[in-house]
Amino acid sequence: DVKVTQSSRYLVKRTGEKVFLECVQDMDHENMFWYRQDPGLGLRLIYFSYDVKMKEKGDIPEGYSVSREKKERFSLILESASTNQTSMYLCASSFGGRAQETQYFGPGTRLLVL
Amino acid sequence: QKEVEQDPGPLSVPEGAIVSLNCTYSNSAFQYFMWYRQYSRKGPELLMYTYSSGNKEDGRFTAQVDKSSKYISLFIRDSQPSDSATYLCAHSTRTGNQFYFGTGTSLTVIP
Repeated sequence: DVKVTQSSRYLVKRTGEKVFLECVQDMDHENMFWYRQDPGLGLRLIYFSYDVKMKEKGDIPEGYSVSREKKERFSLILESASTNQTSMYLCASSFGGRAQETQYFGPGTRLLVL
Repeated sequence: QKEVEQDPGPLSVPEGAIVSLNCTYSNSAFQYFMWYRQYSRKGPELLMYTYSSGNKEDGRFTAQVDKSSKYISLFIRDSQPSDSATYLCAHSTRTGNQFYFGTGTSLTVIP
């Protein structure tokens, strides 16, 4: 079974802190994604990556950056956390080619920024 | 206008009912259509996907795409309490470089 793990299930941070969210997949997937999920807004794509050291902006990249130094690991960085970044963060991965065909999601990280 | 519109519900049905979940989308360039199921406190899991128009059936689930009306549907036959979850529709371009999710419909199947 494909497994996507996220470093934390729950995080509480203060405004202005630098926050790292880690995601690891064990199926040698080329593609990895970071989403945030908010009530009434659904899933919104922050960043995605088709290969190591490659990244592309999604719909809402402002205030975020990403890092993909190894194929299995995709990190989301909040440079200076703000209260409007309180959300559920979901990481996903998929095989190469048709990127959207099958995305496997991690359990999510609930981030609260005070 | 959102790329994908989905009625958030909540939807509550008795066990054994046929459930119909629907989405509309605005961009005809999108060719891949997906349904995800998300249980409480879990990440979404892919339920079904279709390419272009037509129907796809998998057990009790049928996904339907009508590109002429930009309408996506998921039908659940003989619904079970274990089907209680939030269902998200999604679509993407052929290359996968643009993809959007609906906001999700919360479904409860009452025993």
